[in-house]
Amino acid sequence: DTAVSQTPKYLVTQMGNDKSIKCEQNLGHDTMYWYKQDSKKFLKIMFSYNNKELIINETVPNRFSPKSPDKAHLNLHINSLELGDSAVYFCASSLNLEAFFGQGTRLTVV
Amino acid sequence: DAKTTQPTSMDCAEGRAANLPCNHSTISGNEYVYWYRQIHSQGPQYIIHGLKNNETNEMASLIITEDRKSSTLILPHATLRDTAVYYCIVRVAGGTASKLTFGTGTRLQVTL
Repeated sequence: DTAVSQTPKYLVTQMGNDKSIKCEQNLGHDTMYWYKQDSKKFLKIMFSYNNKELIINETVPNRFSPKSPDKAHLNLHINSLELGDSAVYFCASSLNLEAFFGQGTRLTVV
Repeated sequence: DAKTTQPTSMDCAEGRAANLPCNHSTISGNEYVYWYRQIHSQGPQYIIHGLKNNETNEMASLIITEDRKSSTLILPHATLRDTAVYYCIVRVAGGTASKLTFGTGTRLQVTL
C-alpha cells in the first residue's frame, strides 16, 4: 500500500496547455504539501494545506491552483503551462514531525 | 527556521560508518533537527529527528552537540543503497504553518 501516491508519474505537454497532477495519501494525516524540484535539484515548497485549508502559499504564480477536495487529496492544477514549469513535483503529507513524500511527477513542457 | 550548513559531498567505503555533519549555529530552543535523504529519482525519505538528546533508530543515529549548534548523522554500516543526497533541516515541530525547508544537502557516494 503506497502511503502517498501521485499521478501521473510522467507528464509531457505543450506550452499553453492546462494540466493537473493528483495526490492521495492514506495515512490519515492532516497536512499535505506540494514541492517543486527544478533542474538544479533545489526542493522548494509551493503550498501547504491543513484539513483542506490553504496554510502556506510560497509566492507561486497564480497559474498554479491547488485544490483539496478532502483531507486525503491535494491536487495541483496548472494553467497556461510555460517552459519554466518543467520540473519534478512532489506531494507530501505529514503529522507533526515526519513527512512522507510521493515518488514525484516529472513534468516536461515542450 | 534556522539555516543549516552541510558539506557539498562526501565519500564512504561500503561497510564503513558514514558520518555526515551539519552546522546549525542559529538554532532556537524549540527547533528540532531533522534528517531526510533523497535517493536518485525518488521522493525525499525521512531518516531521524532529535531535539537535544542523541537518537537512534533502525536507519541511523543522530548525535547533537550539547550547545545544539551542530549535529552528525551516522549511518553505521553504509551500503551502496545509501548513496543519496542527505538533507539536514531545522524546524519547529508541529504547527499548521510548519514546513520543511530543504538546503543543498550533502551528496554521499558509497563505493565498493
